Amino acid sequence: GNSVTQMEGPVTLSEEAFLTINCTYTATGYPSLFWYVQYPGEGLQLLLKATKADDKGSNKGFEATYRKETTSFHLEKGSVQVSDSAVYFCALSRGYQKVTFGTGTKLQVIP
Amino acid sequence: NAGVTQTPKFQVLKTGQSMTLQCAQDMNHEYMSWYRQDPGMGLRLIHYSVGAGITDQGEVPNGYNVSRSTTEDFPLRLLSAAPSQTSVYFCASSYNQGDSPLHFGNGTRLTVT
Repeated sequence: GNSVTQMEGPVTLSEEAFLTINCTYTATGYPSLFWYVQYPGEGLQLLLKATKADDKGSNKGFEATYRKETTSFHLEKGSVQVSDSAVYFCALSRGYQKVTFGTGTKLQVIP
Repeated sequence: NAGVTQTPKFQVLKTGQSMTLQCAQDMNHEYMSWYRQDPGMGLRLIHYSVGAGITDQGEVPNGYNVSRSTTEDFPLRLLSAAPSQTSVYFCASSYNQGDSPLHFGNGTRLTVT
């Protein structure tokens, strides 16, 4: 079956540091890949997505590239802010199959 | 834009009680789903629906019922609450079940004592 593995947290960074959150997946065929973000007390919201190999999704300074050869979709940001503190979820969807989520990575950015 | 609305935000139940978690969306989405979120386990799919009158089970359906009589509403019923159902519940919808992103409500925090 499909699965998503993302790095364990929590991740603690100083403001303006570089962020990488690793995500790898297992799926047959060509899934669509997503990053969602969850702020405290809220539901998840879409951060970015990519639907085919070598696509780069980007939003709010975050980027992730769909790498089929390494089955990865790592999330990066060049300079994090305190307001980026949240839980980040990697997810995949393939056709009419159910969405599969990773377990989430908590990010804490300190001033 | 209301998006996905869940009620209530918080609920405390005693073991054996029943209740319904409400979910409504105003985006005319065909696909709706319920997840539970537990520490260290990410989100697990309880039930989903691909359109009015059509529902199916997810990973963890036991103890829960759903129905979909309209496109807008997708209530989740707990038949006889158990402490293992203490969790945060999220309703989500999307245009379809493929590469359209999910839109989430703000969740219901349920405690069963």
